[in-house]
Amino acid sequence: DAKTTQPNSMESNEEEPVHLPCNHSTISGTDYIHWYRQLPSQGPEYVIHGLTSNVNNRMASLAIAEDRKSSTLILHRATLRDAAVYYCILRRNNNAGNMLTFGGGTRLMVKP
Amino acid sequence: EPEVTQTPSHQVTQMGQEVILRCVPISNHLYFYWYRQILGQKVEFLVSFYNNEISEKSEIFDDQFSVERPDGSNFTLKIRSTKLEDSAMYFCASSLAGVTSYTDTQYFGPGTRLTVL
Repeated sequence: DAKTTQPNSMESNEEEPVHLPCNHSTISGTDYIHWYRQLPSQGPEYVIHGLTSNVNNRMASLAIAEDRKSSTLILHRATLRDAAVYYCILRRNNNAGNMLTFGGGTRLMVKP
Repeated sequence: EPEVTQTPSHQVTQMGQEVILRCVPISNHLYFYWYRQILGQKVEFLVSFYNNEISEKSEIFDDQFSVERPDGSNFTLKIRSTKLEDSAMYFCASSLAGVTSYTDTQYFGPGTRLTVL
């Protein structure tokens, strides 16, 4: 899987929007962009994924740059429960493997 | 909402002992995985399992490790002779489909904390 780069940590205030960036300049045309998060003392949890178009679900929105070399996970109103490590992961859609390759992620801290 | 469950939540064992970590994946899922996370480090892939056989494994998954789906519901990870460095949180995950499908989301269990003394 191609490499992703994320800031080590970010801070946000409760009830404000949060934009978590991810750079993936070596992304290939068949790579899906996945986001997972890991709340303290829990297993990773799927958040959202997309290929080219922006995506929305009940948890978050995913904004994908036109050249696909970067993406941003948007939490519209951060809550204390959103404090977690957020992982941006590229997954190639070519049957090369099913594993998720986790990097260091971004630790999001939410202040009340 | 269906979820992946794991037992036990915490296992303490002596070095050299065998341990079996148990997982019940989501019932209609076809792909099963084990990952581990050493304290303060990244989540690392160990093995994936599909159609009653290993489909991928990492370098960590050496001969000391084995996986099994003994019946229609359980998925187990066995470590034959534990070492101190096997101390970690072990996560089981399952997915409905593989990476070629849009529905390949992996659902993780809460983990088993393994402590090797």
